[in-house]
Amino acid sequence: NAGVTQTPKFQVLKTGQSMTLQCAQDMNHNSMYWYRQDPGMGLRLIYYSASEGTTDKGEVPNGYNVSRLNKREFSLRLESAAPSQTSVYFCASSVLRAGGPGETQYFGPGTRLLVL
Amino acid sequence: GNSVTQMEGPVTLSEEAFLTINCTYTATGYPSLFWYVQYPGEGLQLLLKATKADDKGSNKGFEATYRKETTSFHLEKGSVQVSDSAVYFCAQTSGSRLTFGEGTQLTVNP
Repeated sequence: NAGVTQTPKFQVLKTGQSMTLQCAQDMNHNSMYWYRQDPGMGLRLIYYSASEGTTDKGEVPNGYNVSRLNKREFSLRLESAAPSQTSVYFCASSVLRAGGPGETQYFGPGTRLLVL
Repeated sequence: GNSVTQMEGPVTLSEEAFLTINCTYTATGYPSLFWYVQYPGEGLQLLLKATKADDKGSNKGFEATYRKETTSFHLEKGSVQVSDSAVYFCAQTSGSRLTFGEGTQLTVNP
């Protein structure tokens, strides 16, 4: 099993450009998540999908949209990139419903995004 | 709201030293508690977890005990190795999500 995969690994954008970060998991997990990681701030949840067909806002959703394409795939879209969105983005998945007792999340390797 | 507070880093130790990374939480109810580790250039991996008070999670020589009375989940290891150099994150379930601490950078020198 590949686990959680993310593409691309690294991307440079100009302010105002758009892009979609792709995430896929092959563990048949129900829940999927998108986080951003910034120095000194830990991980902050952008959006999550508790099950196929549902999505919910996390802590920092502004400037982002998501699509749960099917059970395996969960994409994150930046419609008009801003320098404040320079970050490392991680996708994760879990078999249990988000926040369930003992829920364990499995993370992808991350996408490093630089917005100029 | 629910939150997780970790000791400030970075932490630098010599090989075979004793490690403690403090973690305290605020929560309504009884969250599950986790330690995740992030090696350079990689995503986070679950290190250990505890789902109820007085549970002890353990893995790879690391341990943490869920202390409800002090709302703490401190990470310990008796003898660290160079390969333990990484960023360690404490986390708790918080409603329908995980809430992470800021992370603690650990460097172990030979």
